[in-house]
Amino acid sequence: KQEVTQIPAALSVPEGENLVLNCSFTDSAIYNLQWFRQDPGKGLTSLLLIQSSQREQTSGRLNASLDKSSGRSTLYIAASQPGDSATYLCAVQTGANNLFFGTGTRLTVIP
Amino acid sequence: EPEVTQTPSHQVTQMGQEVILRCVPISNHLYFYWYRQILGQKVEFLVSFYNNEISEKSEIFDDQFSVERPDGSNFTLKIRSTKLEDSAMYFCASSEMTGLETQYFGPGTRLLVL
Repeated sequence: KQEVTQIPAALSVPEGENLVLNCSFTDSAIYNLQWFRQDPGKGLTSLLLIQSSQREQTSGRLNASLDKSSGRSTLYIAASQPGDSATYLCAVQTGANNLFFGTGTRLTVIP
Repeated sequence: EPEVTQTPSHQVTQMGQEVILRCVPISNHLYFYWYRQILGQKVEFLVSFYNNEISEKSEIFDDQFSVERPDGSNFTLKIRSTKLEDSAMYFCASSEMTGLETQYFGPGTRLLVL
């Protein structure tokens, strides 16, 4: 069964710093990997989707990489802002349609 | 920008009661999903739905659960006889064509079973 792990569980950084969030998964036979943002008590906002044939995707200050063979993905956030404070979730799609989620990294950006 | 909507945002019910959670997926999407997140735990897949039938379901999705697309816009999750452990945030999601694209999530319904 696919297991998705995210490290660290929580991260606090000063505003302006660049940071990296890590995601690992046990079964490399994935269709894609998605990064989401979740604000407290709210839904999930999709940030980036990387297909299994891709190595990275970029959107604004966000860059996600995927190393399928080693079962790893990173989310790089450049020049962090207080508004980036949220929980970041990664999820992999391995089967028909469902996503397997990690437990998330709770990010706090200190002004 | 189109978005997935869910109603109600919060629901409190007594154990053993039936609840129906409602979702309106993005209009041109063909795949629909329900996930749940128990407080402090991972988001878990419940069921996916395509072409008016369930395409996949998890072991959580037992006989107490059912899904329906009663008309061209709504997608519902019914829990027939709620248990305390059904208390969670329930998310609806939809994706466009193949089921392998980005899944767009609604804001969730927080269900509390007393």
